[in-house]
Amino acid sequence: GQNIDQPTEMTATEGAIVQINCTYQTSGFNGLFWYQQHAGEAPTFLSYNVLDGLEEKGRFSSFLSRSKGYSYLLLKELQMKDSASYLCAVRDGDYKLSFGAGTTVTVRA
Amino acid sequence: ETGVTQTPRHLVMGMTNKKSLKCEQHLGHNAMYWYKQSAKKPLELMFVYNFKEQTENNSVPSRFSPECPNSSHLFLHLHTLQPEDSALYLCASSQDWGGYQETQYFGPGTRLLVL
Repeated sequence: GQNIDQPTEMTATEGAIVQINCTYQTSGFNGLFWYQQHAGEAPTFLSYNVLDGLEEKGRFSSFLSRSKGYSYLLLKELQMKDSASYLCAVRDGDYKLSFGAGTTVTVRA
Repeated sequence: ETGVTQTPRHLVMGMTNKKSLKCEQHLGHNAMYWYKQSAKKPLELMFVYNFKEQTENNSVPSRFSPECPNSSHLFLHLHTLQPEDSALYLCASSQDWGGYQETQYFGPGTRLLVL
């Protein structure tokens, strides 16, 4: 089966930077997604990486290293509304999405 | 609003009941998905439909029965469920199944409690 690991919880202060790591072992690779999910709400798409390197989108950036099976999501200038669960998902060789268990980020004032 | 709606948002049912979850997408997508999300566990893919045809059944017990009458609607029929089936059931859609940069858009989910 697929194996996707990310930390369970992270806490940071408003205005700070937090980096959420994701490592994966999958049969085939067709891209990596990051989703944000607030409690009781739908996961919403944040970013997509299929080639190595950094993708920047405002305060959020996502990095991928396919050779290392590694990605991170970087959240800058943290705001209280960024408190949520962040899901790493990998699309395997059969185009199925496999998700990590999610990282709950708590932003403190 | 992601363009994917689900009803009901909350459901409590006994083990002998029969109920159905409904999902509707307003994005013009051709692929629809059912996922199960249990506390502290990864989302688990249950079923995939592409152009109304079921393309994936991820070893889901027969007490869960999907139905896709058209590309915009997806149902999950539930019968004789077990307490361990209590979870958040998420519906998602994407333009197609297997596309190069397919992004899945999720509905808000149905919180199911089986007593």
